[in-house]
Amino acid sequence: DTGVSQDPRHKITKRGQNVTFRCDPISEHNRLYWYRQTLGQGPEFLTYFQNEAQLEKSRLLSDRFSAERPKGSFSTLEIQRTEQGDSAMYLCASSLLHNEQFFGPGTRLTVL
Amino acid sequence: QKEVEQDPGPLSVPEGAIVSLNCTYSNSAFQYFMWYRQYSRKGPELLMYTYSSGNKEDGRFTAQVDKSSKYISLFIRDSQPSDSATYLCAMTREKTGTASKLTFGTGTRLQVTL
Repeated sequence: DTGVSQDPRHKITKRGQNVTFRCDPISEHNRLYWYRQTLGQGPEFLTYFQNEAQLEKSRLLSDRFSAERPKGSFSTLEIQRTEQGDSAMYLCASSLLHNEQFFGPGTRLTVL
Repeated sequence: QKEVEQDPGPLSVPEGAIVSLNCTYSNSAFQYFMWYRQYSRKGPELLMYTYSSGNKEDGRFTAQVDKSSKYISLFIRDSQPSDSATYLCAMTREKTGTASKLTFGTGTRLQVTL
């Protein structure tokens, strides 16, 4: 499979718990993006990596959110002390050239 | 006001119709324009990618960009029930660097009926 993969596909958690999502980009894609999408809205940018360097973080990304991309391969997005407002679809995208970003299937988070 | 405006629909058309989907934007720095298709509970799928003004055709899909009017369109010819999905427009200022993040519209939900 040569597409972007995300794990898990669904996550249900209780308020206050920590969750971690993983994204595996398309092989050799050096750029990786995280977006968040809520019902009825388009995806909103969260953060961006070029290789292992995190180059930009959105104001949407509070201190409870952290993302990493060790060795410039897969990436993880962690949310600490989850809140009900964190419930959303978390999307990962990767790109190489020409800014064509290819998205994964997303991780749907439900915070109870 | 949002940077990218898109009518959320729903838009319902009969099978075989020509569909027109549109977005307007306010930031004149946007140069790269994309259309994504998203089925329910799935990730967005890239359909069309265009740079600056002009037309681009790919099969039943045609993308148009009018930078002077800050207006982009996606046309779908001979629409099929399998085209029923949400269509998202997206745009960005740069190919690389921190300005390469995508700014999306809200998406237009399309329903193609038999």
